[in-house]
Amino acid sequence: AQTVTQSQPEMSVQEAETVTLSCTYDTSESDYYLFWYKQPPSRQMILVIRQEAYKQQNATENRFSVNFQKAAKSFSLKISDSQLGDAAMYFCAYRSAFYNNDMRFGAGTRLTVKP
Amino acid sequence: DGGITQSPKYLFRKEGQNVTLSCEQNLNHDAMYWYRQDPGQGLRLIYYSQIVNDFQKGDIAEGYSVSREKKESFPLTVTSAQKNPTAFYLCASSISVAELFFGEGSRLTVL
Repeated sequence: AQTVTQSQPEMSVQEAETVTLSCTYDTSESDYYLFWYKQPPSRQMILVIRQEAYKQQNATENRFSVNFQKAAKSFSLKISDSQLGDAAMYFCAYRSAFYNNDMRFGAGTRLTVKP
Repeated sequence: DGGITQSPKYLFRKEGQNVTLSCEQNLNHDAMYWYRQDPGQGLRLIYYSQIVNDFQKGDIAEGYSVSREKKESFPLTVTSAQKNPTAFYLCASSISVAELFFGEGSRLTVL
């Protein structure tokens, strides 16, 4: 079974600075999707960014970008120009491209943004 | 607006009671999911359904039951057999193998 590991339970960043959240995963499949979700105090899960494994180009969404290293099975999230509203739990997730089943989540990283 | 509605947001259960959490979506998605969230453990899959009248167990299905009689609805029953039901429950749906769309969640507390 696929597993997703987030080795940083907590991270903090100064407002306007850059922070990188780490994620590694384990899979024997060749095609899959990777995601970063944000969960603010409201508990609503919000999609931040997604990456298709067959695409070599790293995904970007405004201040959010990923560093996808397929051979190393690594998928880190970089948040640039951090804002107070970025404070939340961030979850890395994996989903197979072949089986329409569940999405596997890491344990999460709690990000604090200091003013 | 299209989305996923979970109710109630907060629910209290006494020992030995069954409770049902509602999940309704108007996104016309075929697949629906129930996840449980505990502190420090991320999200764990309880049940999922890819089509009406069909569903599969996830990693932690014991003590839970579901039904999928309509495409829009996927209610979750937490039975008295679930020994530690206090948790945050999230319902989600998807149209393909891409991202999941989530509801706002339901918080269940055992008294």
